[in-house]
Amino acid sequence: AQKITQTQPGMFVQEKEAVTLDCTYDTSDPSYGLFWYKQPSSGEMIFLIYQGSYDQQNATEGRYSLNFQKARKSANLVISASQLGDSAMYFCAMREGLRRGGSNYKLTFGKGTLLTVNP
Amino acid sequence: EAQVTQNPRYLITVTGKKLTVTCSQNMNHEYMSWYRQDPGLGLRQIYYSMNVEVTDKGDVPEGYKVSRKEKRNFPLILESPSPNQTSLYFCASSFTLRGNEQFFGPGTRLTVL
Repeated sequence: AQKITQTQPGMFVQEKEAVTLDCTYDTSDPSYGLFWYKQPSSGEMIFLIYQGSYDQQNATEGRYSLNFQKARKSANLVISASQLGDSAMYFCAMREGLRRGGSNYKLTFGKGTLLTVNP
Repeated sequence: EAQVTQNPRYLITVTGKKLTVTCSQNMNHEYMSWYRQDPGLGLRQIYYSMNVEVTDKGDVPEGYKVSRKEKRNFPLILESPSPNQTSLYFCASSFTLRGNEQFFGPGTRLTVL
């Protein structure tokens, strides 16, 4: 079974509108972290936002917010007021074993969602 | 400026010709890792290192070697590259005891003919 599932291969949104990118995850570890990265066409991986499994509030970073629903194991990224520069591939990722000493800090990635912002 | 650097950024080589992709970070991070990105597969971990002289296999280690002789450097070695190692490679680093963000290098696009 996939640990990170992004069901939307591609999404379109009009400039200035909000968009939600879906991410569901699968883990039995009680301590984990969820990340979103942006990859523009130039190829670099840009960190956007982080949510810890024990965090009480949903994470927010500027126009990015993470809709964390722990019971449903979902961590959707919400981008408000989309801009043309938001057009990129978006990856959801998870790190398990946050409180286990010596564990691999590996990020398990989903396959990504290609977001296109239309003018 | 805090950053992870990789060299080269682009490389075209031939089957069997040994190559090294360098990775260096200036943030004093203990943890470093290599990923490869392939279309439709996302990013997969090749090797990682928890600190100097401590390395271990990730999910797809076959055909790769690494070393961690200094804290800042974590080179990826392909002893005998093959066409199925054509990919986009990322180095990443982070602290182990504080912070959660993994910082990624700019990527190395490798083509093996």
